[in-house]
Amino acid sequence: IAGITQAPTSQILAAGRRMTLRCTQDMRHNAMYWYRQDLGLGLRLIHYSNTAGTTGKGEVPDGYSVSRANTDDFPLTLASAVPSQTSVYFCASSDRPGQGANEQFFGPGTRLTVL
Amino acid sequence: GQNIDQPTEMTATEGAIVQINCTYQTSGFNGLFWYQQHAGEAPTFLSYNVLDGLEEKGRFSSFLSRSKGYSYLLLKELQMKDSASYLCAAMDSNYQLIWGAGTKLIIKP
Repeated sequence: IAGITQAPTSQILAAGRRMTLRCTQDMRHNAMYWYRQDLGLGLRLIHYSNTAGTTGKGEVPDGYSVSRANTDDFPLTLASAVPSQTSVYFCASSDRPGQGANEQFFGPGTRLTVL
Repeated sequence: GQNIDQPTEMTATEGAIVQINCTYQTSGFNGLFWYQQHAGEAPTFLSYNVLDGLEEKGRFSSFLSRSKGYSYLLLKELQMKDSASYLCAAMDSNYQLIWGAGTKLIIKP
């Protein structure tokens, strides 16, 4: 059982380039999330999807887009990368969005450096 | 605004007990989560509290006071493998998690 996989593990990207971070889960969870984690700051929600076919904006959505064509996949795209998007990106999923006891399961993360 | 506060770093001795505090302010409240994150790894779920009181799970316990906007994570019989960051997160009225910056726990022999 893989749980949640993310690709690539790490990437160095030139500013201005387009980049898609991939996320796949095999738990048939309804909800998926993208977070960024920066030193000294808590995890910040970029975008989320409560079910296939729907997406929503989180706390820091600017410069990022997502799609949810099916239950398993939730790619995150940086249309034109900027150095401030250097971060560790975590994808997560959960089974019961809109409910309190809604444990999130995290992928291993993608370390992105934009130069 | 929404805010989570927890200490940046704590140090404890192997075999001892440590309490990591967390205070929160959110728009609405649907529960308080604690996650553990080892360096370079993903966060993993430890506990969830929505009612006042103490929830015990083996060596780890979590406490919540909704009236005070306060929670703590209690770790007993500390082991070296408990060296990690501990993340506090409160669920707001939209069922989104608001995360603290994490408390780095250093365990010394």
